[in-house]
Amino acid sequence: DAGVIQSPRHEVTEMGQEVTLRCKPISGHDYLFWYRQTMMRGLELLIYFNNNVPIDDSGMPEDRFSAKMPNASFSTLKIQPSEPRDSAVYFCASSPGPGIDTQYFGPGTRLTVL
Amino acid sequence: EDKVVQSPLSLVVHEGDTVTLNCSYEVTNFRSLLWYKQEKKAPTFLFMLTSSGIEKKSGRLSSILDKKELFSILNITATQTGDSAVYLCAVEAPNTGNQFYFGTGTSLTVIP
Repeated sequence: DAGVIQSPRHEVTEMGQEVTLRCKPISGHDYLFWYRQTMMRGLELLIYFNNNVPIDDSGMPEDRFSAKMPNASFSTLKIQPSEPRDSAVYFCASSPGPGIDTQYFGPGTRLTVL
Repeated sequence: EDKVVQSPLSLVVHEGDTVTLNCSYEVTNFRSLLWYKQEKKAPTFLFMLTSSGIEKKSGRLSSILDKKELFSILNITATQTGDSAVYLCAVEAPNTGNQFYFGTGTSLTVIP
């Protein structure tokens, strides 16, 4: 298996633009997690899905952020409109169960909003 | 507000030294504490601790949890340059959902 795949690996955009980050989980994993990592705040859980259904989105910072999982092999995290403070590395992780000890992280998307 | 605090923020040691990294937490409904190693990419899992006083060990790395004093330590003995990384501590504290809280990490640099 190729592991968790994220695209793009790097994204540079201007403030106000829409940004879409993509994730393909490991086949057979029922849980998918989106994280954001910054120097100031560390790693934060934004949202997670179980069997394509959002279970907990309490970490989503505000309405500008939305996440979808239309099927078991694809998820998106969208920011609209983007702001400079959204600059961070966004990780997607998947796991066969809910425990974070079994999560496999993707390589991350480094987002820079100018 | 739930929180996880790691110390020190950064550490520079020489090869062969022993280091101790600290993680304290203040959460409701604690379930487990985890340690990760993060090099220039995604975090990789090291240990999961759920019970006080039971040491988890893997090679030169070991960790223990104190649920009374609400902290954990990660020890690395005979450090090597390959141990250079950011070490993250995370606490699982489910309330309405499966909630995880990460510390900001300790950056370890091992000098040859």
